[in-house]
Amino acid sequence: DIVMTQTPLSLSVTPGQPASISCKSSQSLLHSNGKTYLYWYLQKPGQSPQLLIYEVSNRFSGVPDRFSGSGSGTDFTLKISRVEAEDVGVYYCMQTIQPPLFTFGPGTKVDIK
Amino acid sequence: ELQLVESGGGLVQPGRSLRLSCTASGFTLGAYATGWVRQAPGKGLEWVGFIRSKPSGGTTDYAASVKGRFTISRDEAKSIAYLQMNSLKTEDTALYYCTKGYGMDVWGQGTTVTVSS
Repeated sequence: DIVMTQTPLSLSVTPGQPASISCKSSQSLLHSNGKTYLYWYLQKPGQSPQLLIYEVSNRFSGVPDRFSGSGSGTDFTLKISRVEAEDVGVYYCMQTIQPPLFTFGPGTKVDIK
Repeated sequence: ELQLVESGGGLVQPGRSLRLSCTASGFTLGAYATGWVRQAPGKGLEWVGFIRSKPSGGTTDYAASVKGRFTISRDEAKSIAYLQMNSLKTEDTALYYCTKGYGMDVWGQGTTVTVSS
């Protein structure tokens, strides 16, 4: 089974400053079709999760361009170029290369200083 | 607007059954995989299972923790997906979300299941 880890597990950021979250998988998420099945989600307080990034680096519709994803193989990063107050919540990475067991990372809680 | 609305949650005793519904609007349910994800109180997200799109055969897969107890199905005419949960355990207590597609680009608001005697 693929295990997803995230660091840090919590992050306090000053508005306007950058933030970065690392996600590592225990196996490569590169599929034979050339795609890498790594996703990022944000769960704002009291809300359902929402998709931010799909297949490592593609921003989902409506996601601000201050969010970016990068990485390959087993190491991935979500970056927020300038954190805003509305970005607080828990960020999860998730892999879907290995059905029937999709797995989420433990989550990284981001709050504002 | 693409929307998913879950219903059917509630309080149930261990060993009993419950069926959750997920009503889709704004898109054709059978054209996409429909998944279920749960979140225990104060915990992270756990994938439960999914039903593939109709073009992909509509087959299902489940997490090991629920395999053999939970069943996902879909009524395309009604645009409703179901999560049949049997032999419920206290550890199944969670907020249950349904999701659209393998990438989970649409989430419902969730429905709460509490398993307790």
